[in-house]
Amino acid sequence: GESVGLHLPTLSVQEGDNSIINCAYSNSASDYFIWYKQESGKGPQFIIDIRSNMDKRQGQRVTVLLNKTVKHLSLQIAATQPGDSAVYFCAEVSNFGNEKLTFGTGTRLTIIP
Amino acid sequence: DAMVIQNPRYQVTQFGKPVTLSCSQTLNHNVMYWYQQKSSQAPKLLFHYYDKDFNNEADTPDNFQSRRPNTSFCFLDIRSPGLGDAAMYLCATSEGSSSAYTDTQYFGPGTRLTVL
Repeated sequence: GESVGLHLPTLSVQEGDNSIINCAYSNSASDYFIWYKQESGKGPQFIIDIRSNMDKRQGQRVTVLLNKTVKHLSLQIAATQPGDSAVYFCAEVSNFGNEKLTFGTGTRLTIIP
Repeated sequence: DAMVIQNPRYQVTQFGKPVTLSCSQTLNHNVMYWYQQKSSQAPKLLFHYYDKDFNNEADTPDNFQSRRPNTSFCFLDIRSPGLGDAAMYLCATSEGSSSAYTDTQYFGPGTRLTVL
């Protein structure tokens, strides 16, 4: 079946360094991708999204890269802060056939002071 | 601030005792979703409403029901909770302006359900 997966379940980064969280997806029909941040005991919080007609999108300290050739998505967080510690989920939406927000398994990011 | 609100934040129920979780939104969004999230797992969609139209996921157990009496409120009813239903239940909304699924979904803080 279709799936969205993450390469690494956990990631530890020194405060102030940049972090990169990767995500692989298998549904080539997916045309909309979202990164969510989920802190402990809270609901997922929208970070940034990207549509399939783009390969890069930047926000405040975050950048999402989309490589449709290899079906790979990444989230870059610049100058990490303690508040960035959370679980990060990528999610994909297909506008063809099964139109559903499908979440990946999540990566736990820990910022080391 | 416009937001998605879930009450209660923590709910304890007994095995087999019906429980209702509530969600309200001030975003005036057309679509409201209910997800189940178990520990260290991704959220799993149970069902959603596009306005008054109910859409159930194929693998959602019959034990889970939902009501949406108006645009602002949506309820999740668990008719006979089992131990395996202990989880975080997340409500989300999306504008639903074009496609119900390509709009960004905004999540509430969740209700953590404990089943004794």
